[in-house]
Amino acid sequence: AQSVTQLGSHVSVSEGALVLLRCNYSSSVPPYLFWYVQYPNQGLQLLLKYTSAATLVKGINGFEAEFKKSETSFHLTKPSAHMSDAAEYFCAVRGNRDDKIIFGKGTRLHILP
Amino acid sequence: GAGVSQSPRYKVTKRGQDVALRCDPISGHVSLYWYRQALGQGPEFLTYFNYEAQQDKSGLPNDRFSAERPEGSISTLTIQRTEQRDSAMYRCASSSVTDTQYFGPGTRLTVL
Repeated sequence: AQSVTQLGSHVSVSEGALVLLRCNYSSSVPPYLFWYVQYPNQGLQLLLKYTSAATLVKGINGFEAEFKKSETSFHLTKPSAHMSDAAEYFCAVRGNRDDKIIFGKGTRLHILP
Repeated sequence: GAGVSQSPRYKVTKRGQDVALRCDPISGHVSLYWYRQALGQGPEFLTYFNYEAQQDKSGLPNDRFSAERPEGSISTLTIQRTEQRDSAMYRCASSSVTDTQYFGPGTRLTVL
C-alpha cells in the first residue's frame, strides 16, 4: 500500500527566498512520485514526476524535487520564490502496479512581499 | 480536445436528488479516473476505467455512487439520493496507459 505525508499544511516564505515543501512517502513497491500544483480556482497541474530514471527531477516554473530512498522523501524546492508561486501543492504516490494516485493533504504556499 | 473537460462546473442540488457529473477525457486516452476533493484536503480516489472496463471501484464510498464509461470515452459519475456530506469538488483525470494523469477543472457539487 502507498501513502504520502506532507509536513506543514501552510508554509510562508519571502519573495526571493528558498522554497522547501516536504513530502515523505510509504510504498510497498518502487514508487512513482508526483508533485501537483493547484492555483486558486483552477485544476490540478503536474509540476514534476519521478519514475526511477533520475533521482533529481526538474519540473516546470523552476521547481525540482529529489528522490531519497534512504529517507523515503521527495521534497520540492525552488531557489527563489515568486509571488506567482502562491498556490496549494500536493505530493502524490502511485505504485507501479496500481494506477490510482494517492495524494497528500496538501501544503498551501504563501509568498510574503 | 485540448484537455480534460468536466460539466457542469458547478452544481447545486437539494438533498435527496440524483446528480450526474460528466467527464470528457483527452482524446485517445485509455484510462479515466474519478477523484473527490473535500475542502482543505487532497483528492481521494474513487474509481477508474481502462477503456470501458471499470478496473477499480474501491474508493466509491457507498452504493449511492456509481460510474460508467460505456464507449470507452466520456464517463458519467452518478450520485443517487444526495446527502450534504457529498458536497465536494469532483475531479476527473485521464491518461495514456500507465502514464501521467491530466486533471480536468472539476465539478463543485453543493448539496443543500
